[in-house]
Amino acid sequence: AQSVTQPDIHITVSEGASLELRCNYSYGATPYLFWYVQSPGQGLQLLLKYFSGDTLVQGIKGFEAEFKRSQSSFNLRKPSVHWSDAAEYFCAVGAEGYQKVTFGTGTKLQVIP
Amino acid sequence: EAGVAQSPRYKIIEKRQSVAFWCNPISGHATLYWYQQILGQGPKLLIQFQNNGVVDDSQLPKDRFSAERLKGVDSTLKIQPAKLEDSAVYLCASSRGGRVSTEAFFGQGTRLTVV
Repeated sequence: AQSVTQPDIHITVSEGASLELRCNYSYGATPYLFWYVQSPGQGLQLLLKYFSGDTLVQGIKGFEAEFKRSQSSFNLRKPSVHWSDAAEYFCAVGAEGYQKVTFGTGTKLQVIP
Repeated sequence: EAGVAQSPRYKIIEKRQSVAFWCNPISGHATLYWYQQILGQGPKLLIQFQNNGVVDDSQLPKDRFSAERLKGVDSTLKIQPAKLEDSAVYLCASSRGGRVSTEAFFGQGTRLTVV
């Protein structure tokens, strides 16, 4: 069975600082990996996804993620955080075939001035 | 393009009462999902429809939860009777196809509080 671990429940960074959110997955075959963002009172929005090819994936809002098979990781990064990035971030892993996507428990990002 | 619409946004009910949520997916999207998001957890898939057929309902508590998607468009999710542990945000999502590579678009959700 597929699973996702987001070890950080809550992260605080200063505006302008760099950000890295950790994600570790467990899946036997090549995974489909996603990062979603959820702002308060909103649904989830897809930031980026990885299926195959280049292991460094660019997404919206200046985010990127790197797939490392040897570490079973798919960490999300942003070089300079903006106050509007404060939200909850979910990593998810999918299986081939129909959309069986398993979400992690999320990391809540707080941005301080 | 209009997004996924859900109603109501908030609902408070007493345990053992029934409740229904409504979802209108993005036009042309064949696949519709209902997720349950309990506070502090990630969304959990309850049921997936492809047009008006059920693809996956393995995590739907069928003794109290039911869902339908008549005519392959709108969908309703019902809970009867509700329990305290059903308090959660119920998210509806839709996508053009049912494969994992197809992006799913989420609605704002319905926050259910069972007291």
